[in-house]
Amino acid sequence: NAGVTQTPKFQVLKTGQSMTLQCAQDMNHNSMYWYRQDPGMGLRLIYYSASEGTTDKGEVPNGYNVSRLNKREFSLRLESAAPSQTSVYFCASSGGGQFRQYFGPGTRLTVT
Amino acid sequence: SQQGEEDPQALSIQEGENATMNCSYKTSINNLQWYRQNSGRGLVHLILIRSNEREKHSGRLRVTLDTSKKSSSLLITASRAADTASYFCATDKVGSNYQLIWGAGTKLIIKP
Repeated sequence: NAGVTQTPKFQVLKTGQSMTLQCAQDMNHNSMYWYRQDPGMGLRLIYYSASEGTTDKGEVPNGYNVSRLNKREFSLRLESAAPSQTSVYFCASSGGGQFRQYFGPGTRLTVT
Repeated sequence: SQQGEEDPQALSIQEGENATMNCSYKTSINNLQWYRQNSGRGLVHLILIRSNEREKHSGRLRVTLDTSKKSSSLLITASRAADTASYFCATDKVGSNYQLIWGAGTKLIIKP
């Protein structure tokens, strides 16, 4: 039982490059989330998926797209990376009637 | 926008002392959660308190909630070096079962 996994752990991109961050959970949770964490700002919600087949914008969706591939997997895509997207990205999931969220280990992204 | 605001931003105490962190929020909530984040890691859920509860305990943790003041506190008793981490409060967004709104966190350092 791995919980929430994320790949990659680290990534360096040049401005304008694209990449996809992968997230998977093995807890049969309906809901999944993508957050970014910047120094001193806590977590900000980028997108979430309440259930398989649905996605919704969070607080800071601009510059990102998501895909809920199936119940297990939720990916985040940066189409044209910008230095302002340098951050640590966390995926999380929740389900089973619980409000608590389970987090992956994070992806540290640097855009130069 | 940040809903929760933790206070203090940073706290340094001796091992064995008690640590108290506070969280204030702005709008009505259904529940409030506390999470811990060790350096460079994902967040781990500590405790959830519902809006109709005033106090909750879990091991060395005690959480209080004052909905009239829109504030919560997290007390860690008999602190240990392993408690060194950042602590975040998160409130649900009324009307959404899924979105949490996060504070910027309190960085706690336990000195041996």
